[in-house]
Amino acid sequence: DVKVTQSSRYLVKRTGEKVFLECVQDMDHENMFWYRQDPGLGLRLIYFSYDVKMKEKGDIPEGYSVSREKKERFSLILESASTNQTSMYLCASIAGQNTGELFFGEGSRLTVL
Amino acid sequence: KQEVTQIPAALSVPEGENLVLNCSFTDSAIYNLQWFRQDPGKGLTSLLLIQSSQREQTSGRLNASLDKSSGRSTLYIAASQPGDSATYLCAVRTSGTYKYIFGTGTRLKVLA
Repeated sequence: DVKVTQSSRYLVKRTGEKVFLECVQDMDHENMFWYRQDPGLGLRLIYFSYDVKMKEKGDIPEGYSVSREKKERFSLILESASTNQTSMYLCASIAGQNTGELFFGEGSRLTVL
Repeated sequence: KQEVTQIPAALSVPEGENLVLNCSFTDSAIYNLQWFRQDPGKGLTSLLLIQSSQREQTSGRLNASLDKSSGRSTLYIAASQPGDSATYLCAVRTSGTYKYIFGTGTRLKVLA
């Protein structure tokens, strides 16, 4: 079974702190995603990576950056956390072929005070 | 621009009932459509993936259908159980990209 692991399930941070959210997948998938999920707004794509060191902005990249130094690991970085970044963050991955299935991690609930 | 709609937003049914969840999308040029289940505070669990060339997929008590021409997919759950209570989301993968567009989900409650 594909496993997508998000290292932190719950985090509480203060405004202005730098926050790292880590995601690791064990199926050698080329493509990895970071979404945030908010009530009434659904899932929104923050960033997408299609290969090591390659990334594309999603729909809401402002205030975020990403890092993909190794194929299995995709990190989301909040350079200076703000209260409007309080949310559920979901990492996902998919194999490179066109017909692949999207797999999600368990999510990271971030609260910024 | 692709838009995905799920109606109703919430549904309560008695245990044992067969039920249908709906997913509509505006652009029929899709690669595939995927149904997910989400329990409170958790990530999304993949239920069924339907390729654009397929009409339906089945897994246990679940059956998902796809009608691209009308922009609709349905998830059929047979003999519902309290353990089926969760939010069900559909996601459409846009042709030519790895971008997925998600519906906002249907929150299902199966009453014992």
